[in-house]
Amino acid sequence: GAVVSQHPSWVICKSGTSVKIECRSLDFQATTMFWYRQFPKQSLMLMATSNEGSKATYEQGVEKDKFLINHASLTLSTLTVTSAHPEDSSFYICSASQTSGETQYFGPGTRLLVL
Amino acid sequence: GDSVTQMEGPVTLSEEAFLTINCTYTATGYPSLFWYVQYPGEGLQLLLKATKADDKGSNKGFEATYRKETTSFHLEKGSVQVSDSAVYFCALNPYSGAGSYQLTFGKGTKLSVIP
Repeated sequence: GAVVSQHPSWVICKSGTSVKIECRSLDFQATTMFWYRQFPKQSLMLMATSNEGSKATYEQGVEKDKFLINHASLTLSTLTVTSAHPEDSSFYICSASQTSGETQYFGPGTRLLVL
Repeated sequence: GDSVTQMEGPVTLSEEAFLTINCTYTATGYPSLFWYVQYPGEGLQLLLKATKADDKGSNKGFEATYRKETTSFHLEKGSVQVSDSAVYFCALNPYSGAGSYQLTFGKGTKLSVIP
């Protein structure tokens, strides 16, 4: 149980375009979802925390207008990288927590390459 | 603020060797502690966790004991396998009860096991 999926797993896009990444909890309801960014050989950097039905809370230094997060249901959150640039190339990972628990379950990640 | 410090990697071991990856933390209150594992090209998987002092988390031959007196949560395995090669992340959640799920991660320790 507690499976989280992400789609797509790989995306290559041109500079200036927008990319949407989906995060789904497949077998549980996730009140809270998290979005992380991971640079090569580094730890995860929390970008934002989203609760179903409310606006996401962004970490300091993360541009909310550039990284749009929507958590429309208890099983789906989306991250849209708007007007992507090469410096946005990274590994984006989401995680989800069940309503009554504290353990975060992670998705497999989405590798974004902006040309 | 809360922080997690892991031993610097990479760590290279021969198959069947004993593994220890040190992790210490700084937190106010009584955090929950976690070890996550990341295999190449994948997202994070929860390896084990402990929610209160003196608890021992265990999974797949790995163990870690929550030591409040030394603020440590060292990961150990008696006999590593090539398939254990991965990056290991220590993490804490500052509150042990439901209501706050934000994780603070260590920088990760890369383990390579050679036949």
